[in-house]
Amino acid sequence: DGGITQSPKYLFRKEGQNVTLSCEQNLNHDAMYWYRQDPGQGLRLIYYSQIVNDFQKGDIAEGYSVSREKKESFPLTVTSAQKNPTAFYLCASSIIHLNTEAFFGQGTRLTVV
Amino acid sequence: GENVEQHPSTLSVQEGDSAVIKCTYSDSASNYFPWYKQELGKRPQLIIDIRSNVGEKKDQRIAVTLNKTAKHFSLHITETQPEDSAVYFCAARYSTGTASKLTFGTGTRLQVTL
Repeated sequence: DGGITQSPKYLFRKEGQNVTLSCEQNLNHDAMYWYRQDPGQGLRLIYYSQIVNDFQKGDIAEGYSVSREKKESFPLTVTSAQKNPTAFYLCASSIIHLNTEAFFGQGTRLTVV
Repeated sequence: GENVEQHPSTLSVQEGDSAVIKCTYSDSASNYFPWYKQELGKRPQLIIDIRSNVGEKKDQRIAVTLNKTAKHFSLHITETQPEDSAVYFCAARYSTGTASKLTFGTGTRLQVTL
């Protein structure tokens, strides 16, 4: 289970508050990804990053922000602009230039009340 | 961008039967196609993958086939067992320069009954 770690596993926040989800990897992977998982909708890409200090929007980036100040870390902030933030969030990492698997963290279940 | 469609959304088979899950992709530039298994409350884990220069790959009871012309790929599980019950996701990856975006299908919930 080592390699990519998300914290916390469960997170509760009040509506209107920003919240930051942590993702750390020690696999020396260049690429990191954030996905949102809702029932029946699979994994939808929020943001991804290939190198430090650079990232790209995915398919559902609105209401989210990220940073990539270190290779090992790719935190995701769910802002108050995200209209329906309650979901299961998964972080992943992979090597870029070889088509190899992406490794997932254990996920963070965010509930906004 | 890439769009991956996956069918069926649910699949129920009896233990010992085979299960087939199919995916189609839209971007002909995609060249890597992994399959992930996700058990309830756990992270997705890779079970098999295939690259665009290969038409078929097999690993024990699991096989994947790729038809580049038709842009579809399939997962085949033979001799299914109760522990195969999970949600399965297909995915496709394309690279544009340094960008490497992995797009997933919507998942198939497989139930293996005794």
